[in-house]
Amino acid sequence: GESVGLHLPTLSVQEGDNSIINCAYSNSASDYFIWYKQESGKGPQFIIDIRSNMDKRQGQRVTVLLNKTVKHLSLQIAATQPGDSAVYFCAEILYNNNDMRFGAGTRLTVKP
Amino acid sequence: EAGVVQSPRYKIIEKKQPVAFWCNPISGHNTLYWYLQNLGQGPELLIRYENEEAVDDSQLPKDRFSAERLKGVDSTLKIQPAELGDSAVYLCASSPGLAGGRVDNEQFFGPGTRLTVL
Repeated sequence: GESVGLHLPTLSVQEGDNSIINCAYSNSASDYFIWYKQESGKGPQFIIDIRSNMDKRQGQRVTVLLNKTVKHLSLQIAATQPGDSAVYFCAEILYNNNDMRFGAGTRLTVKP
Repeated sequence: EAGVVQSPRYKIIEKKQPVAFWCNPISGHNTLYWYLQNLGQGPELLIRYENEEAVDDSQLPKDRFSAERLKGVDSTLKIQPAELGDSAVYLCASSPGLAGGRVDNEQFFGPGTRLTVL
């Protein structure tokens, strides 16, 4: 797999490799975090979420890790497939105001 | 179940002209959002409705932008007059709402309207 530094705009991986997309969030009071996938010409699509009282959550082929100490969020995609090619955004939400703030996004390209 | 519907999908207008976007949220969703997304950027909230009430419009440029959700279902976003810098994708999203103190109030996005101002 390939790991990127914080907030790099692009990530290119070989099909079958693992991908790690990183995100730094801004508000230490944020309670809830979501990763979205956005394909060209479409709106963002929910992938996985995590609450602030957790540090890891797993879905199908995806894992989100939360490090509140350094306000860092990561999305791990196992066995990356061509269909995973998209822009990935992290978003943070402050409980009780439902205000969701998006990061700038990382474009993932999967090479066959 | 139908998702969030937006129309038109694309719009090209000349500057100083008016333009309107329409959104039909998922049935039963009380909360509706309008976002602006510039190329290569994440969506930025313009306005949020809880039913027919605009509860957060702090980021809406009120000199030229307006929005309404008269019956608490469909919503329109209008720009008058449009400027070159308004070229962007305008996304609509809906969510069930914060009823019951839910924190995991997932937002479902429509495909967006791509506006080009010439």
